[in-house]
Amino acid sequence: DAGITQSPRHKVTETGTPVTLRCHQTENHRYMYWYRQDPGHGLRLIHYSYGVKDTDKGEVSDGYSVSRSKTEDFLLTLESATSSQTSVYFCAISGGSSYEQYFGPGTRLTVT
Amino acid sequence: DQQVKQNSPSLSVQEGRISILNCDYTNSMFDYFLWYKKYPAEGPTFLISISSIKDKNEDGRFTVFLNKSAKHLSLHIVPSQPGDSAVYFCAASDTGQGAQKLVFGQGTRLTINP
Repeated sequence: DAGITQSPRHKVTETGTPVTLRCHQTENHRYMYWYRQDPGHGLRLIHYSYGVKDTDKGEVSDGYSVSRSKTEDFLLTLESATSSQTSVYFCAISGGSSYEQYFGPGTRLTVT
Repeated sequence: DQQVKQNSPSLSVQEGRISILNCDYTNSMFDYFLWYKKYPAEGPTFLISISSIKDKNEDGRFTVFLNKSAKHLSLHIVPSQPGDSAVYFCAASDTGQGAQKLVFGQGTRLTINP
C-alpha cells in the first residue's frame, strides 16, 4: 500500500471556523490531490499540486485553499467552513510513469 | 455536466456469476480509464486500468473493455465473490494535460449474494 496518511480522520466544526486537513506521503511522489466525496457525485477534484509550491484548482475549488511547502505534505484549508462543505475528503498521490492515483483513508468532516 | 456517468447506482449478483459494471463518458479527449473499488470508511483502491490504444485489459478475475466509438467502458468480474461487494468507481483522464487529473463517475454499489 502507498504510504499516505490523513489527519484528522474525523472532525466536527462549527460554521464560520477555519479548518485545515493534512495529507502526508512517504512515497516522494510529485503529484498530490484533494478530492471530496458526496452522495450522487462520486469523487470531485478540489485542488492538486504538481510540485512544491505549485498548485492549481480543480472542479470544485471555491471556498478551499491549499499549500505544499514540502514534497511530503499537502494541506487543504477551509477558510470559513460552511455546511455545504460537510463531506468526506480524500487525498491522493501519483508519480513516475504511472497514471494511477493512490488514495489515503479519508477525513470525515462535519460542519454544524 | 457529468463527463463520466455510471447509470446504475446498484447491482446485485449471485456468487460465482459474472458481474458487469458499466461506465459512459462524453469527453473525447479522455485517453486513460481506471476502475477503483471502495469499501466503507476506507479510501478508494486502484483495481485496473486501460489506455485508449487498447480495447481490453485483463488482470485475474477482472477485465476492462473499452469501446471508444461508443465512449463506453465496462468492468467484468468473473467469478464474483462475496469480498467483491463494494462501491465501484470508474474514472477517466486526459493524460495530455500533465497532471493526472481524474474525473470520476458517481459509483455503482455491487452486492454479491451467497
